Amino acid sequence: DVKVTQSSRYLVKRTGEKVFLECVQDMDHENMFWYRQDPGLGLRLIYFSYDVKMKEKGDIPEGYSVSREKKERFSLILESASTNQTSMYLCASSRLAPETQYFGPGTRLLVL
Amino acid sequence: GENVEQHPSTLSVQEGDSAVIKCTYSDSASNYFPWYKQELGKGPQLIIDIRSNVGEKKDQRIAVTLNKTAKHFSLHITETQPEDSAVYFCAAPRGNTGTASKLTFGTGTRLQVTL
Repeated sequence: DVKVTQSSRYLVKRTGEKVFLECVQDMDHENMFWYRQDPGLGLRLIYFSYDVKMKEKGDIPEGYSVSREKKERFSLILESASTNQTSMYLCASSRLAPETQYFGPGTRLLVL
Repeated sequence: GENVEQHPSTLSVQEGDSAVIKCTYSDSASNYFPWYKQELGKGPQLIIDIRSNVGEKKDQRIAVTLNKTAKHFSLHITETQPEDSAVYFCAAPRGNTGTASKLTFGTGTRLQVTL
């Protein structure tokens, strides 16, 4: 079974803090994704990586950066957290297109 | 880029009835249409997908139909059960470039199956 794990289920941070969200997949997938999920807006792509050290901006990259130093690990970084980044963050991985994306359980982030 | 619209946003059905969720897409080159189910407290999981060379695919109580001419696809759940209650997302691929691995998701349908 494909497993995608995320470092935290719940996270509370203060405005201005640097926040790291970690995602690890165990199926040697080439692609990894970070999404943000908000009510009524569905899943919006923040960043996408198709190989180690390779990344592409998604629809809403502002205020975020990513790092992929190893194939199995994809990190999302909030350089200076703001209250409008309070959301559910979902990580996913997949083989090459067009293929099933496998999601982690999500991290619910609250920025105070 | 691809634009995916999903309707309805909420759907309530009685146990045993059928549920239908519809999505439209804009890119006529799209060739892969997955449906995901998200249960409370979990990430979305693929439940069924269809590729553009077929018009319908079934897996037990769920089925997906595809109309490429009209650019829409639908999820059908028959004999609904309480465990079908969840949020359902449709998706379509974004373009046909080297980064075609990306999907555009619909905004989701919250299905409630009542006893």
